[in-house]
Amino acid sequence: KQEVTQIPAALSVPEGENLVLNCSFTDSAIYNLQWFRQDPGKGLTSLLLIQSSQREQTSGRLNASLDKSSGRSTLYIAASQPGDSATYLCAVYMNYGGSQGNLIFGKGTKLSVKP
Amino acid sequence: ETGVTQSPTHLIKTRGQQVTLRCSSQSGHNTVSWYQQALGQGPQFIFQYYREEENGRGNFPPRFSGLQFPNYSSELNVNALELDDSALYLCASSRQGRETQYFGPGTRLLVL
Repeated sequence: KQEVTQIPAALSVPEGENLVLNCSFTDSAIYNLQWFRQDPGKGLTSLLLIQSSQREQTSGRLNASLDKSSGRSTLYIAASQPGDSATYLCAVYMNYGGSQGNLIFGKGTKLSVKP
Repeated sequence: ETGVTQSPTHLIKTRGQQVTLRCSSQSGHNTVSWYQQALGQGPQFIFQYYREEENGRGNFPPRFSGLQFPNYSSELNVNALELDDSALYLCASSRQGRETQYFGPGTRLLVL
């Protein structure tokens, strides 16, 4: 059974710092991996999607990497801003299983960027 | 392009009651997935609908049921509500199952 773990559970940094959020998964037979952002009490916003054949994806100040063989992904945020404060979730789709729509999520990292 | 919408935004029910949550998918999307997110947890997959048929189900009891309509909007029905059903219910739509899923704002359900 796939398990997705995110470390740390919470992170507080001063504005302007570069930071890394970690995601690990136990089964490497993934189809793709997505990073999401969730503001308090709100829905999820997709940030980056990495196909299993890719190593990284970039969007603005965000860069996500994927090492499928070691079961790890990182989300790098450059020059953090107070507006980046939110919970960041990673999720994987598996290659197998009857349901193609089954995103398996970690519990998230709650990020706070202090002005 | 209209995003995913959900109604209602908040709901309070008592144990044993039944509830229906609604979701309108993003234009051009034929797949809708439902997730339950308890406080402090990641979302858990409930089920997915593709072209009006259930296309997979997570580890949820049969009292969680759903529908998808010809316009690809969807309903989640929960019977015999329990206290542990209190959560944020998220709907997501996509063009196909494993493509990027676009989430709605969620419905916050409180069961007393």
